[in-house]
Amino acid sequence: GESVGLHLPTLSVQEGDNSIINCAYSNSASDYFIWYKQESGKGPQFIIDIRSNMDKRQGQRVTVLLNKTVKHLSLQIAATQPGDSAVYFCAENTGFQKLVFGTGTRLLVSP
Amino acid sequence: DTGVSQDPRHKITKRGQNVTFRCDPISEHNRLYWYRQTLGQGPEFLTYFQNEAQLEKSRLLSDRFSAERPKGSFSTLEIQRTEQGDSAMYLCASSFPGGEGYTFGSGTRLTVV
Repeated sequence: GESVGLHLPTLSVQEGDNSIINCAYSNSASDYFIWYKQESGKGPQFIIDIRSNMDKRQGQRVTVLLNKTVKHLSLQIAATQPGDSAVYFCAENTGFQKLVFGTGTRLLVSP
Repeated sequence: DTGVSQDPRHKITKRGQNVTFRCDPISEHNRLYWYRQTLGQGPEFLTYFQNEAQLEKSRLLSDRFSAERPKGSFSTLEIQRTEQGDSAMYLCASSFPGGEGYTFGSGTRLTVV
């Protein structure tokens, strides 16, 4: 299938490791952030979101951390599995419900 | 399935032809968005609707592009006189008014030859 993001930053991990993907956002007024997973040839798939009045939010195997002081988001994936291999994007809502996407990160999980 | 549906999944067209894509949002969502994604990049916002009203258009949406959502349900995106630079994945998304549930479809891959 067609690759998404041929020249993206890449994070390579072993199955079972924890993964941390980082993202810097641009607009200090952004109040809502979303992490998406995108597999080759597919649309972005919602993983987890967080509002600006929170610092941390947990889902199933995933945690998002928000540091508004330095405009930084991170996505932590626990016990990474081969099915987690994809390109991950952070997106910020700049106030009009249009999302601005960051540079994606390719996650490669080796068995 | 109650996800966002897009049709067609793939479209190959000759330069200069017109193309039209369709998006069916999640039925409970009143906001609908169009994005474009080129290889190696994140999606870029094109336009969005609240119900049938088109509320914002990006500079990326040249006068060859037009989007409609006539009854506040499905939406169409038309590109007239296609150019090779229009080749991209066109993504539709929908959400509740506050942005909750922002869900993307699988996209329409356009190739202009």
